[in-house]
Amino acid sequence: DAGVIQSPRHEVTEMGQEVTLRCKPISGHNSLFWYRQTMMRGLELLIYFNNNVPIDDSGMPEDRFSAKMPNASFSTLKIQPSEPRDSAVYFCASRSGAQGTGELFFGEGSRLTVL
Amino acid sequence: AQSVTQLGSHVSVSEGALVLLRCNYSSSVPPYLFWYVQYPNQGLQLLLKYTSAATLVKGINGFEAEFKKSETSFHLTKPSAHMSDAAEYFCAVIYRDDKIIFGKGTRLHILP
Repeated sequence: DAGVIQSPRHEVTEMGQEVTLRCKPISGHNSLFWYRQTMMRGLELLIYFNNNVPIDDSGMPEDRFSAKMPNASFSTLKIQPSEPRDSAVYFCASRSGAQGTGELFFGEGSRLTVL
Repeated sequence: AQSVTQLGSHVSVSEGALVLLRCNYSSSVPPYLFWYVQYPNQGLQLLLKYTSAATLVKGINGFEAEFKKSETSFHLTKPSAHMSDAAEYFCAVIYRDDKIIFGKGTRLHILP
């Protein structure tokens, strides 16, 4: 299996630009999670989907952030407009198995730098 | 409030020495617990997990962890550290509402 695939691996952009991060979960997994990792705040859950439906988006920092999962094999996290404080590594993870017991499988992350 | 506490953001041990990374959780209901490892510029990989079977769980790379309900702890150990163990380690808990909470991580340094 290819694992969770994220793109781009690195993104450098200027403040005010739109950023779109992409994720392909492991085939057959029915839950997908977006995390943000920074030195200051550690690993933060932004949003998660179950069967393509957003279940909990309470971690999304503000309206500039949005996430979609149009089908079981693709999700996007969009930041518009981007700001320097959005610089972080964004991870996508997917999970299958019985509720509450399945471990997360993480992608390699997208490192975002907003100048 | 539900939480996961990892004691020590940085831990240093000598090569060949015992590794002990601490994790405590807050819960009145036994949760499901995980340890993940993150190497530089990579995502998190599962080391081991506890799902209410045996309280002593063995994972990859010689790591193991023991679930102690009375202490609400799930500490990670390895008898003999290797240079390749240098990484960041995260404890995570899943509660009944299916919310996954990660600790802030412990960076393990191995001294030659």
